[in-house]
Amino acid sequence: AQKVTQAQTEISVVEKEDVTLDCVYETRDTTYYLFWYKQPPSGELVFLIRRNSFDEQNEISGRYSWNFQKSTSSFNFTITASQVVDSAVYFCALTVYGGSQGNLIFGKGTKLSVKP
Amino acid sequence: DTAVSQTPKYLVTQMGNDKSIKCEQNLGHDTMYWYKQDSKKFLKIMFSYNNKELIINETVPNRFSPKSPDKAHLNLHINSLELGDSAVYFCASSQDGGRYNEQFFGPGTRLTVL
Repeated sequence: AQKVTQAQTEISVVEKEDVTLDCVYETRDTTYYLFWYKQPPSGELVFLIRRNSFDEQNEISGRYSWNFQKSTSSFNFTITASQVVDSAVYFCALTVYGGSQGNLIFGKGTKLSVKP
Repeated sequence: DTAVSQTPKYLVTQMGNDKSIKCEQNLGHDTMYWYKQDSKKFLKIMFSYNNKELIINETVPNRFSPKSPDKAHLNLHINSLELGDSAVYFCASSQDGGRYNEQFFGPGTRLTVL
């Protein structure tokens, strides 16, 4: 069975602080894909990044960076110099190649509040 | 142009009623999904569907049924609504079965059962 754990339920930071959102996943499959989605207060789900299990390179996109470590089954997300607009619920998700049509298995989300 | 659209955005109804939520995608994707987000923000897959296969999450009551008139639409029908059905329902779509491509989500439909 697959599982995604986001242990941090809520995080509150002050603007310009760096913040890391943790994600730990479980799967027995060797081919799988990891995702991060953002859900701002307006409610829509916004895709942020996809990473496959064979690519452990870290990725940076502007103020966002992701650290994928297979050895610890983690796919952590760091926001550098956080801004109020980063306030949202962030979801980590997993899908496996051999699974049923790529159904996303979501963690419970981490609510990030960035205060001015 | 809206990629994945859902109607209505809000739906308020009485227990026992039957209702439908419509979903359309204009991305040319081959797979569509319905997810339920409960009051604690937990997102869970309900159905996934392409032109070959419907996968139903076994925890979904059979009062819920997806209907796909064509590749671009996957509607959700709910019979005999219950209080516990109150949630936000998201439609999504992806290409190649969604195994390695991201899923694009609609704006969500907030269903309130009174």
